[in-house]
Amino acid sequence: NAGVTQTPKFRVLKTGQSMTLLCAQDMNHEYMYWYRQDPGMGLRLIHYSVGEGTTAKGEVPDGYNVSRLKKQNFLLGLESAAPSQTSVYFCASSSYGVTGYSNQPQHFGDGTRLSIL
Amino acid sequence: EDQVTQSPEALRLQEGESSSLNCSYTVSGLRGLFWYRQDPGKGPEFLFTLYSAGEEKEKERLKATLTKKESFLHITAPKPEDSATYLCAVQVSRSGNTGKLIFGQGTTLQVKP
Repeated sequence: NAGVTQTPKFRVLKTGQSMTLLCAQDMNHEYMYWYRQDPGMGLRLIHYSVGEGTTAKGEVPDGYNVSRLKKQNFLLGLESAAPSQTSVYFCASSSYGVTGYSNQPQHFGDGTRLSIL
Repeated sequence: EDQVTQSPEALRLQEGESSSLNCSYTVSGLRGLFWYRQDPGKGPEFLFTLYSAGEEKEKERLKATLTKKESFLHITAPKPEDSATYLCAVQVSRSGNTGKLIFGQGTTLQVKP
């Protein structure tokens, strides 16, 4: 069972270039999330989705866009990369709880390490 | 503002030396508290969920407990393979049905043989 798969694992970009990070989950989860992890800053939520065709802004959305055209995929785009976006990016997914709350654990991929020069 | 604080930032233990990691939270309404383990170069791996004060969960050498203000991750007789960063996260009522989590900064544990 693959769980959450992120591609690519590593990438180096030049300032101003664009790219898309792909996240795929095979657990049929409704919710998906994109985080960035920086030293001393912890995990910060960029964007999230509560279902196919829906997206919403998280804590640090500026400079990023997302799309969720299929339930199993969540794409994170950088239109014009900046050095401040050098980070490790994690995707996560979770299911809807039977209690009526979405308080199920999130399951993470192994990250994309992105450097912007 | 909802906040999660973990302490200490780093902890060094000798193999077999038991200790506890702390996660204190100030939130408007707790839906759940989650513990994760993160190895270098990997994504966070889910360990436990605690939903209400007084709840406890165990897995091998780890035991998580929850009060109304904090959670502890107790590590009994740790081994070098327990070395990792341990993350605490909370889900709060005001997040609605989004499943969003608020993470602490993590505690990096090193267990020496």
